[in-house]
Amino acid sequence: TQLLEQSPQFLSIQEGENLTVYCNSSSVFSSLQWYRQEPGEGPVLLVTVVTGGEVKKLKRLTFQFGDARKDSSLHITAAQTGDTGLYLCAGALTGGTYKYIFGTGTRLKVLA
Amino acid sequence: GAGVSQSPSNKVTEKGKDVELRCDPISGHTALYWYRQRLGQGLEFLIYFQGNSAPDKSGLPSDRFSAERTGESVSTLTIQRTQQEDSAVYLCASSRQWGLNQPQHFGDGTRLSIL
Repeated sequence: TQLLEQSPQFLSIQEGENLTVYCNSSSVFSSLQWYRQEPGEGPVLLVTVVTGGEVKKLKRLTFQFGDARKDSSLHITAAQTGDTGLYLCAGALTGGTYKYIFGTGTRLKVLA
Repeated sequence: GAGVSQSPSNKVTEKGKDVELRCDPISGHTALYWYRQRLGQGLEFLIYFQGNSAPDKSGLPSDRFSAERTGESVSTLTIQRTQQEDSAVYLCASSRQWGLNQPQHFGDGTRLSIL
């Protein structure tokens, strides 16, 4: 069974603080995507990382794919209230199937 | 429309009834995915389509669940003899091409409640 564990599950921080969310698995993924989901809506893609060790930056968000392509992290600098939401990682499996395994989710609340 | 459209947005039904959920992907998108999201949790893969064929049905929870797709357009997810554990949000996503590393564009889901 392929599993993607995210930590922490819940995070409540003050505006301006930094945070890191982790996504870990024992499976190797060909790529990994990060999504943000707001209540009542579908997830929206933030980034796709493909190469082991890859680092991508999207304004205040920094995404890293582990060297072995089994894990990833999302770091947010100087969080804002607009960053509040459910963050989901999704790993693309290798080996002849084109499906994605989603992580358990991290629910972030940024307080003003 | 410009995005993935799902209908109905909400569905309340009695245990034992059949339900049909519809997904209209973005025009021209060949890949289509169905997921289930239980309250406060991540997404559980159900099935994906390449065109109108479904190479991977491994995520369907039981034989009460089935899905079809007409050409490269609308898809329906059918749940027969619904049970209370089927209550969840059912999300559909489409991608321009099938294959890995393609961004998935999600609809807003159908919230299914089984009484």
